[in-house]
Amino acid sequence: ETGVTQSPTHLIKTRGQQVTLRCSSQSGHNTVSWYQQALGQGPQFIFQYYREEENGRGNFPPRFSGLQFPNYSSELNVNALELDDSALYLCASSLFVSGETQYFGPGTRLLVL
Amino acid sequence: SQQGEEDPQALSIQEGENATMNCSYKTSINNLQWYRQNSGRGLVHLILIRSNEREKHSGRLRVTLDTSKKSSSLLITASRAADTASYFCATDDSGGGADGLTFGKGTHLIIQP
Repeated sequence: ETGVTQSPTHLIKTRGQQVTLRCSSQSGHNTVSWYQQALGQGPQFIFQYYREEENGRGNFPPRFSGLQFPNYSSELNVNALELDDSALYLCASSLFVSGETQYFGPGTRLLVL
Repeated sequence: SQQGEEDPQALSIQEGENATMNCSYKTSINNLQWYRQNSGRGLVHLILIRSNEREKHSGRLRVTLDTSKKSSSLLITASRAADTASYFCATDDSGGGADGLTFGKGTHLIIQP
C-alpha cells in the first residue's frame, strides 16, 4: 500500500466526451505526477504539479489538463476524448519535484468507445 | 516516447532460480529506478540507484548501473511465485526541469512453481 488512492477504478466513455480522474496523494507529499500507460507499454509522463502549479509537462496535447488542490489531491481532465486515450492512468505522489521515488496509485482504467 | 528498453521482453523461470533483467537508456541521468507492476495495477517502487553508484542491494534484489554503457540490470535471487509481475526501469533524466520519470516497455517475468 502506497497511501495513494485513485477514483474511479474503471470508466467507459464515448469519443468526444470529457472525463475527470481523481487522485489523493500520500500524506505530506506536495508533488503529484500523472502518467498514461497504454496496453503493453510503459507509463508515459503527462504532467506534474507542485504546490498547485503545473511545473512540467510531457508530450501531451492541451486537452489534457490538471488541477492540484491545497490538500494536495489532484485531478486529471481530458477533453474531446479519442479512441487512443484508452489506457491506464496512474498518478504518483512524491516529496520532491525532482525525479526521486514516486508512490503510485492503483490507476484508473479508461475505455473510450 | 520511451527512454529505452528492457531485455528480455518476457522471461519464464522455475521457482528458486535467479532472474536477470536488463535495461538500456539513451540520455544522461540523475538516477535510475526499478518498479514492479502486478496485472496492470499500480507500480511499486523497488530500488533507486544514483548515477554515481555502481551497485545496490535490497533484500533479494541486486541492481547494477553502468553509465558508460547507459545500462542497468536487475537481479532477483531465489525467485518466488509472488515475483511474477512486469518489471520496469525508469530514469530521471538530468536535462533539467520537472519532466517526470521516463519508463521502458518492461519485462514480463513468470515464475513457474
